[in-house]
Amino acid sequence: DVKVTQSSRYLVKRTGEKVFLECVQDMDHENMFWYRQDPGLGLRLIYFSYDVKMKEKGDIPEGYSVSREKKERFSLILESASTNQTSMYLCASSPPDRPGGRGAPYEQYFGPGTRLTVT
Amino acid sequence: GQNIDQPTEMTATEGAIVQINCTYQTSGFNGLFWYQQHAGEAPTFLSYNVLDGLEEKGRFSSFLSRSKGYSYLLLKELQMKDSASYLCAALDSNYQLIWGAGTKLIIKP
Repeated sequence: DVKVTQSSRYLVKRTGEKVFLECVQDMDHENMFWYRQDPGLGLRLIYFSYDVKMKEKGDIPEGYSVSREKKERFSLILESASTNQTSMYLCASSPPDRPGGRGAPYEQYFGPGTRLTVT
Repeated sequence: GQNIDQPTEMTATEGAIVQINCTYQTSGFNGLFWYQQHAGEAPTFLSYNVLDGLEEKGRFSSFLSRSKGYSYLLLKELQMKDSASYLCAALDSNYQLIWGAGTKLIIKP
């Protein structure tokens, strides 16, 4: 079974702090994604990566950055946390070998999520 | 603009059948996904349709009509464990996923 793990289930940070959210997958997937999920809204893509050291902006990259130094690990960084970044953060991975090229999000395997509260 | 519409909440009875509808408007289309998400947990993949018609997978079936921009998820023989949110997502021409807000399904005994 594919397993995607995230470093924390719950996190409370103060405004202005630098926050690191880590995601690790064990299925050798090329594609990895970071989403945020807020009530009443669909999942919104922050960043994705289709290879080591490669990253692409999603729909809402402002205020976030990412790092992918190893294939299995994809980190989301909040450079200076703000209260509007309070949300559920979900990491996902997916295999390639589908039409659409690199990063095409076919069947995705999600981590358990990190509920981040910024006070 | 691109948009996915699905009902916010539905209620059904254990043992019954329920149909969750999803309509989409996207720039091009490369398929439609359904995911299940239990409260406080990660979404899990249920189905992917790219051709018109019905695909059955056990108690769950997913239908797609590309000409109508419409899909539904059909759940049969409902069980209490089916209480969850069901997320619809469409893949547009740029292979970007457009997500609906999800349908919360409540199963009553």
